[in-house]
Amino acid sequence: GENVEQHPSTLSVQEGDSAVIKCTYSDSASNYFPWYKQELGKRPQLIIDIRSNVGEKKDQRIAVTLNKTAKHFSLHITETQPEDSAVYFCAASIAGGADGLTFGKGTHLIIQP
Amino acid sequence: NAGVTQTPKFRVLKTGQSMTLLCAQDMNHEYMYWYRQDPGMGLRLIHYSVGEGTTAKGEVPDGYNVSRLKKQNFLLGLESAAPSQTSVYFCASSYGSATYEQYFGPGTRLTVT
Repeated sequence: GENVEQHPSTLSVQEGDSAVIKCTYSDSASNYFPWYKQELGKRPQLIIDIRSNVGEKKDQRIAVTLNKTAKHFSLHITETQPEDSAVYFCAASIAGGADGLTFGKGTHLIIQP
Repeated sequence: NAGVTQTPKFRVLKTGQSMTLLCAQDMNHEYMYWYRQDPGMGLRLIHYSVGEGTTAKGEVPDGYNVSRLKKQNFLLGLESAAPSQTSVYFCASSYGSATYEQYFGPGTRLTVT
């Protein structure tokens, strides 16, 4: 089955700096790659996703890039703010998520004031 | 719209007891999922359903059963709870077809002693 590796497990950045979280996946048939943000004690919330026919997608301060050849995708957050502090999860799926998502183990992003 | 709801929010069981977790969605979504979240492990898929009356196994199905008798409800059962099933359980749903986003419920925190 699919395997998703996520790095780093903890990332501390100064407020206003950029943060990058990287994930690799194992199954070349995967075609859907969402990113979720989870605050302490809350449910995961989708922040951005990308499909395999697109190389990059941007939404305000957040962007995701996908390299299908290397089987890796990354989340980029620019101009970080205190409210960006949370745990971020990447995920991958074949069939657009219909048969469920395989998640990475998460990155705890800490924004230092 | 309430979105995705889960009942109960918290539960403590003794080893060997049984219980059922209820997930309900009012978005007319076709697909529903059960995940468990353990510290440092991300979310792992237990079972899923791609339509009323259908269910399928995910990554970690052992010790759990599910049923989808109505489109809006997805039940997760533990027949004989074990301490290894102590976890936070999240239900999710998605419209299906070409719409991939999964919406998560608030979670159920289960402790088995």
